[in-house]
Amino acid sequence: TAGITQAPTSQILAAGRSMTLRCTQDMRHNAMYWYRQDLGLGLRLIHYSNTAGTTGKGEVPDGYSVSRANTDDFPLTLASAVPSQTSVYFCASSDRPSGEQFFGPGTRLTVL
Amino acid sequence: GQNIDQPTEMTATEGAIVQINCTYQTSGFNGLFWYQQHAGEAPTFLSYNVLDGLEEKGRFSSFLSRSKGYSYLLLKELQMKDSASYLCAVRDSNYQLIWGAGTKLIIKP
Repeated sequence: TAGITQAPTSQILAAGRSMTLRCTQDMRHNAMYWYRQDLGLGLRLIHYSNTAGTTGKGEVPDGYSVSRANTDDFPLTLASAVPSQTSVYFCASSDRPSGEQFFGPGTRLTVL
Repeated sequence: GQNIDQPTEMTATEGAIVQINCTYQTSGFNGLFWYQQHAGEAPTFLSYNVLDGLEEKGRFSSFLSRSKGYSYLLLKELQMKDSASYLCAVRDSNYQLIWGAGTKLIIKP
């Protein structure tokens, strides 16, 4: 069982360009999350989805959008990247909002 | 505001015991998690406390005092592979996880 996969592993992106980070889970978990992790800071929640068809904003949603068309996939889109979006992005899932979260391997994004 | 405090870095010796503290101030409390994160890897779940007291799981134990807004993670019989960052996270009243910046634990032979 793969658990959670993320793509790409890493990416260098020019400022102003758009990009979609992909996240897929095969655990049939209802809830999914996107975090960013920056040096010296804790993980910060960008967007979440408690179930397919619904999404919500986290602590730092500006500049990002998500969709949850089905249970397995939860893509994160940067419409027009800026250098402050340089970070490591983790996707996570849990069987319910109150459950333990399982993390994907992360995507390292550099915006120049 | 919401705040999770942990020491930035700790050093311990192989075979010894180390205690990593976490204090929190959050809007509501619905449980506290500890995760382990090796450099360049994803966080992995270690423990969960929702009631006061000690939860033991092998070499790792986690303690919670809700009245004091305090938790600690206790690691016994330290091994070199325990060198990692340890993340404390609190689930708030909205059931979102608020994360500390993590404690980098360095194990020396």
